[in-house]
Amino acid sequence: GESVGLHLPTLSVQEGDNSIINCAYSNSASDYFIWYKQESGKGPQFIIDIRSNMDKRQGQRVTVLLNKTVKHLSLQIAATQPGDSAVYFCAENKAAGNKLTFGGGTRVLVKP
Amino acid sequence: GAGVSQTPSNKVTEKGKYVELRCDPISGHTALYWYRQSLGQGPEFLIYFQGTGAADDSGLPNDRFFAVRPEGSVSTLKIQRTERGDSAVYLCASSPGTEYGGELFFGEGSRLTVL
Repeated sequence: GESVGLHLPTLSVQEGDNSIINCAYSNSASDYFIWYKQESGKGPQFIIDIRSNMDKRQGQRVTVLLNKTVKHLSLQIAATQPGDSAVYFCAENKAAGNKLTFGGGTRVLVKP
Repeated sequence: GAGVSQTPSNKVTEKGKYVELRCDPISGHTALYWYRQSLGQGPEFLIYFQGTGAADDSGLPNDRFFAVRPEGSVSTLKIQRTERGDSAVYLCASSPGTEYGGELFFGEGSRLTVL
């Protein structure tokens, strides 16, 4: 399928290094902030979320940081692997009902 | 455990034609969502259902777009008098309920091309 990342900012990372993907959000009233991964030709896949009353949450090889002061969200991927190559989107949940607002996305390319 | 299934995976149509896109959510998921994704952009919310009713259709761009979910499971997104600007990937997602924070389970999408 056609890539969804043709015109996106790109982060090139050496395999084994850590990756940091950044996202700015606009709505201070959001309840949750979420990271999704999208591989070419596929739908977005949930990675991790963080509630607005937290500033850090860790998963398997991933950490999400939330800085509400500057409205900034980041995703850290430890020991990046070739399978991590994809487009990463941040999203906000602004209201009840899981109505997500997605950001523009960052393409991650892992170099062997 | 099947995931969200969308058909067709690809649809090419001519301007002015009518199109239906189908979504079969994960069994037992009561909430169903439609998003639209243009090339190089993040998904854009269209509509979501809780059960059979459309709980929020504020993202539908105009009255050419309509979606139904008559039995609370399968949903169909209907687009009348298609325009070239409707070309995009239409994504369907489901979740166990709307009380979840942000984990939606997406299908692979239906790519619509309007010539």
